[in-house]
Amino acid sequence: GENVEQHPSTLSVQEGDSAVIKCTYSDSASNYFPWYKQELGKGPQLIIDIRSNVGEKKDQRIAVTLNKTAKHFSLHITETQPEDSAVYFCAAMAGTALIFGKGTTLSVSS
Amino acid sequence: SAVISQKPSRDICQRGTSLTIQCQVDSQVTMMFWYRQQPGQSLTLIATANQGSEATYESGFVIDKFPISRPNLTFSTLTVSNMSPEDSSIYLCSVGWVDGYTFGSGTRLTVV
Repeated sequence: GENVEQHPSTLSVQEGDSAVIKCTYSDSASNYFPWYKQELGKGPQLIIDIRSNVGEKKDQRIAVTLNKTAKHFSLHITETQPEDSAVYFCAAMAGTALIFGKGTTLSVSS
Repeated sequence: SAVISQKPSRDICQRGTSLTIQCQVDSQVTMMFWYRQQPGQSLTLIATANQGSEATYESGFVIDKFPISRPNLTFSTLTVSNMSPEDSSIYLCSVGWVDGYTFGSGTRLTVV
């Protein structure tokens, strides 16, 4: 079945810096790759996603890139703010359900 | 996107008892899923809740421990049976929607 690896597990940046989180997946049939932000005590919130027929997608300060050949996708956050501090999960769709990476705890200090 | 209401939001239960978690969606959805998130960990898929048929369980999860009901396209329940402290986790309902997969706010379960 699908396996998703996520790195790094923790990431600390200064406010205004960029943050990059990387994921790899194993199943070449996976075709949907969302990213979720989870704040303490809340459920995961979808922040951006990408489908396998697209190489890059951007939404304001957030962007996601996909390399199908390498089975690799990344989340890029520019101009980070303290409110970006949270746990971020990548996921890949295997069949109809999402398989998640282990998460990255992002800390943005002002 | 679909809005999910999950109840209860948290509970503390005695070992050996059972808890039923409810998931209500404001729209009819075909795909509904249940996940477990152990403390400080990622989300693990428990099962896919199929409307009108038995749920499809992932490896490591069995129907006797986690029975699931899906009586219609807007509602599902997950029961955690014969609980032990190892079942202490956040249980999350998720639905597949046209603009992605949405999650409920979760049920934080503590077994004592």
